[in-house]
Amino acid sequence: GDSVTQMEGPVTLSEEAFLTINCTYTATGYPSLFWYVQYPGEGLQLLLKATKADDKGSNKGFEATYRKETTSFHLEKGSVQVSDSAVYFCALRAGSYQLTFGKGTKLSVIP
Amino acid sequence: DGGITQSPKYLFRKEGQNVTLSCEQNLNHDAMYWYRQDPGQGLRLIYYSQIVNDFQKGDIAEGYSVSREKKESFPLTVTSAQKNPTAFYLCASNPGQNTDTQYFGPGTRLTVL
Repeated sequence: GDSVTQMEGPVTLSEEAFLTINCTYTATGYPSLFWYVQYPGEGLQLLLKATKADDKGSNKGFEATYRKETTSFHLEKGSVQVSDSAVYFCALRAGSYQLTFGKGTKLSVIP
Repeated sequence: DGGITQSPKYLFRKEGQNVTLSCEQNLNHDAMYWYRQDPGQGLRLIYYSQIVNDFQKGDIAEGYSVSREKKESFPLTVTSAQKNPTAFYLCASNPGQNTDTQYFGPGTRLTVL
């Protein structure tokens, strides 16, 4: 079945550091890929998405590129802020209404 | 404002009692979903509904029930048969018709004492 594997956290970075959160997937067909963010005590918000190979999703300084050859969708940001502290979820949708989520990566950014 | 509301934000119940979690959306979305979130386990799908009066089991439906009598409402009942009900419950919706993005409510944290 479909699955998403993302790097385990927690990840702790200093403000202005470079962020990478790895995400790889297994799916039949050609899935759409997503990054969602969850701030403490809240629901999930869509951060960015990509629907086909080589697409790059971007939002709020975050980027991720859909790499079909490596089945990856790694999240990057050049300079993190304290306000980026949250849990980040990688997810995919392949051929149905359902989303398959990774387990989440908690990011803490310290001043 | 359009969006998804879940109430209450915190809910406490005694073991053996059924409890119903509310989810309402005014986005005119066809599809709605219930997820359970446990620490370190990501989100797991409990039930989903693609249209009024129809719903399907997700990956962990045992001990839960739902109804979809109105387009805007998708309540989840956690029954006494659910062995470990304490968790964070998230409701989501999307327009349906093969669209990708799901929109999430703020969640309800259920604690069973």
